[in-house]
Amino acid sequence: GAVVSQHPSWVICKSGTSVKIECRSLDFQATTMFWYRQFPKQSLMLMATSNEGSKATYEQGVEKDKFLINHASLTLSTLTVTSAHPEDSSFYICSVLLADQETQYFGPGTRLLVL
Amino acid sequence: QKEVEQNSGPLSVPEGAIASLNCTYSDRVSQSFFWYRQYSGKSPELIMSIYSNGDKEDGRFTAQLNKASQYVSLLIRDSQPSDSATYLCAVKRAFTGGGNKLTFGTGTQLKVEL
Repeated sequence: GAVVSQHPSWVICKSGTSVKIECRSLDFQATTMFWYRQFPKQSLMLMATSNEGSKATYEQGVEKDKFLINHASLTLSTLTVTSAHPEDSSFYICSVLLADQETQYFGPGTRLLVL
Repeated sequence: QKEVEQNSGPLSVPEGAIASLNCTYSDRVSQSFFWYRQYSGKSPELIMSIYSNGDKEDGRFTAQLNKASQYVSLLIRDSQPSDSATYLCAVKRAFTGGGNKLTFGTGTQLKVEL
């Protein structure tokens, strides 16, 4: 497997502010990481694919200027929610893709509440 | 038609029984299938992966894949209260340019009762 951490685990912010979430692969160099969002009682929705050293690939309907992704190293990807609004309140989860190019391991998630 | 479909449940089974969780998928050429367990308020954790038709066993868990019928299932033997969680079926897309993305079902909630 892979050990993945996220920071912070939860965050409360005011509407209009920006929030940065970090995803770290602690024991594996991850070329590819993924960012998901999960609303209550719903399944995981892929937001974007984060590739080390290149621009992220966003899923249809996800605003790339609002959800900024940076994957500057093989162990760190960040997601910045810019000008957050209450509707952005959700559970944000990252995952790393193992070298087999098949298996994803998830971080513990970050719960965001925008007031 | 949803790409990955699961019965939302809840599926209730008595402790010690076999829990059977099912998943169907629409993309006939999908090759990789995964089962994740998600406890309430937590992120998903990988239970099993399966790539070939047939059964794959790991401890109390058995994954079954039938590509002709486009379904994958997860059996949990000797179910324990600690198995109570939502089980997510995930399918890796097979189309060109799909990369390594997973499509998740909405999950089946399992309740193991004492």
